Amino acid sequence: SQQGEEDPQALSIQEGENATMNCSYKTSINNLQWYRQNSGRGLVHLILIRSNEREKHSGRLRVTLDTSKKSSSLLITASRAADTASYFCATAPWGQNFVFGPGTRLSVLP
Amino acid sequence: NAGVTQTPKFQVLKTGQSMTLQCAQDMNHEYMSWYRQDPGMGLRLIHYSVGAGITDQGEVPNGYNVSRSTTEDFPLRLLSAAPSQTSVYFCASSYSGTKNEKLFFGSGTQLSVL
Repeated sequence: SQQGEEDPQALSIQEGENATMNCSYKTSINNLQWYRQNSGRGLVHLILIRSNEREKHSGRLRVTLDTSKKSSSLLITASRAADTASYFCATAPWGQNFVFGPGTRLSVLP
Repeated sequence: NAGVTQTPKFQVLKTGQSMTLQCAQDMNHEYMSWYRQDPGMGLRLIHYSVGAGITDQGEVPNGYNVSRSTTEDFPLRLLSAAPSQTSVYFCASSYSGTKNEKLFFGSGTQLSVL
């Protein structure tokens, strides 16, 4: 099974609503990152949270990290149609390469 | 800066053919890597490099070769293409050779092997 897995696999919301997606992982990590992928494009880095941090904000994004539960959540507030994309968490075990989850497909309906 | 540039964007091969996917970055990044993306599987690491002259295997290296003769370029070679290698391939780089920092991705190469 994969190191990181996002939940839910797919999420559909109305514009203006908040979107929350979660990531669970199995081993101790150095940091955890979230990426966005628009259809047919490469991944774009959104935010990095280190193992000694509990929460980070970037614009409309809020990421939390609970190392005791080995989980993270990504909250997108006041969503827009342009937020429609797939979102991936990438976990970085100490000294090792990233492991990406299968992603959450977010659809924001106008 | 162009960032990470991948060519070609699309490629169709016949089983047994070989080809090279090109990746170049102009950010002077030490770390470069190749991933493949398959439906429902996320991204899986094929090979990576922490600097010129240094390469190592990732999770799914079989059937692929890499080399890193310069900091800028990190080509991925398919030795004898198989239908199982049909996928979307992404090159990514980061400034640090420590493997764990922010990745910059190319726009991908969609490969079909018939």
